[in-house]
Amino acid sequence: GAGVSQTPSNKVTEKGKYVELRCDPISGHTALYWYRQSLGQGPEFLIYFQGTGAADDSGLPNDRFFAVRPEGSVSTLKIQRTERGDSAVYLCASSSESGVGANVLTFGAGSRLTVL
Amino acid sequence: GDSVTQMEGPVTLSEEAFLTINCTYTATGYPSLFWYVQYPGEGLQLLLKATKADDKGSNKGFEATYRKETTSFHLEKGSVQVSDSAVYFCALILNTGGFKTIFGAGTRLFVKA
Repeated sequence: GAGVSQTPSNKVTEKGKYVELRCDPISGHTALYWYRQSLGQGPEFLIYFQGTGAADDSGLPNDRFFAVRPEGSVSTLKIQRTERGDSAVYLCASSSESGVGANVLTFGAGSRLTVL
Repeated sequence: GDSVTQMEGPVTLSEEAFLTINCTYTATGYPSLFWYVQYPGEGLQLLLKATKADDKGSNKGFEATYRKETTSFHLEKGSVQVSDSAVYFCALILNTGGFKTIFGAGTRLFVKA
């Protein structure tokens, strides 16, 4: 697509529920990133995909968080047993691996998660 | 670990004032440096970048010079406009084997007419 698309834009859930957040990157971008941004903070790295595989998942806070990218395009971030502390804006970004745009992140608008 | 520190905001300026937002970094390797901007109601977007020491990135009247000796990448603009009101994020990515971009906490800029 023309840009990075994230759905839903807003998600309100109750503590303990399961949540899925979806990211559709720019067509042809092999690198895909998930970040989490809390109010007044910069984006915090969660996980990076190169193609279908997670090349670096060192930012996932615990085993309640998991992400997949089965066909090397769309990615889903999955959060189990949500906690109030998970409330944040979850950002997805993609980039090309080479050329002028290498390492330049194009971000989606984010998915705002509120856990009550 | 690798990190980025930028000046706390908010920064409030009058239109046509000179802007400086300080950014310093700590990195184990040789990073590329970026400034991203988030306008109200919009997503983060690249403002400018520099990939090696002494490079100057520039865009929309903003400039930043990669200073290896002071590990800094300060953002400057000679004459700000109301439309520059936004949150500015300094960021780095390691050029050697690193995959993740590391962001600073952001500096909010308000420009008054």
